[in-house]
Amino acid sequence: AQSVTQPDIHITVSEGASLELRCNYSYGATPYLFWYVQSPGQGLQLLLKYFSGDTLVQGIKGFEAEFKRSQSSFNLRKPSVHWSDAAEYFCAVVTAYGGSQGNLIFGKGTKLSVKP
Amino acid sequence: ETGVTQTPRHLVMGMTNKKSLKCEQHLGHNAMYWYKQSAKKPLELMFVYSLEERVENNSVPSRFSPECPNSSHLFLHLHTLQPEDSALYLCASSPAGQGADNTGELFFGEGSRLTVL
Repeated sequence: AQSVTQPDIHITVSEGASLELRCNYSYGATPYLFWYVQSPGQGLQLLLKYFSGDTLVQGIKGFEAEFKRSQSSFNLRKPSVHWSDAAEYFCAVVTAYGGSQGNLIFGKGTKLSVKP
Repeated sequence: ETGVTQTPRHLVMGMTNKKSLKCEQHLGHNAMYWYKQSAKKPLELMFVYSLEERVENNSVPSRFSPECPNSSHLFLHLHTLQPEDSALYLCASSPAGQGADNTGELFFGEGSRLTVL
């Protein structure tokens, strides 16, 4: 069965430090991959997405992610974290293309805390 | 502003009450979703409507009753809930069909925080 694993439940980084959030997926074909961010008390906002082409994708708020097929990974990175980046981050994969069958599978999320 | 609006943002209800959550999208999408987000659990898909027809119901208890009167509106009717139903309920929308616009990306509202006493 398709799945998404985010191995880190909670990460704390200092403001200005670099960040990498891990995501591994299990899916036979080339997936569509997403990273969403959720600030406290808010809904989910799309940070970036990968469909095909360049394996390094740029998103909003200075985030980027790299798709590595050989490792079944889609890790999220940011070179310098800001205090406003404190939030929960969700990796997701689409398990079927087209249609509207609710085929977006989410990981359990990684909560990011930022130290001053 | 995400284009998906949920009301109310917060709701407290007793176990015998009947209430409804409302979701409205202004994105021209034809598919709408209800998700449940509980503490320490992954997002749970509850219901999917595509072109106003329900296409998926992930074994959700009957005390949750969805309604999709048109492609822009989605309701979740609640009755005789249990304390374990306390959660953040998220509505989302996406384009329906097989077109290039439909990549599986969902557009979320800000959620309705439900507390059942």
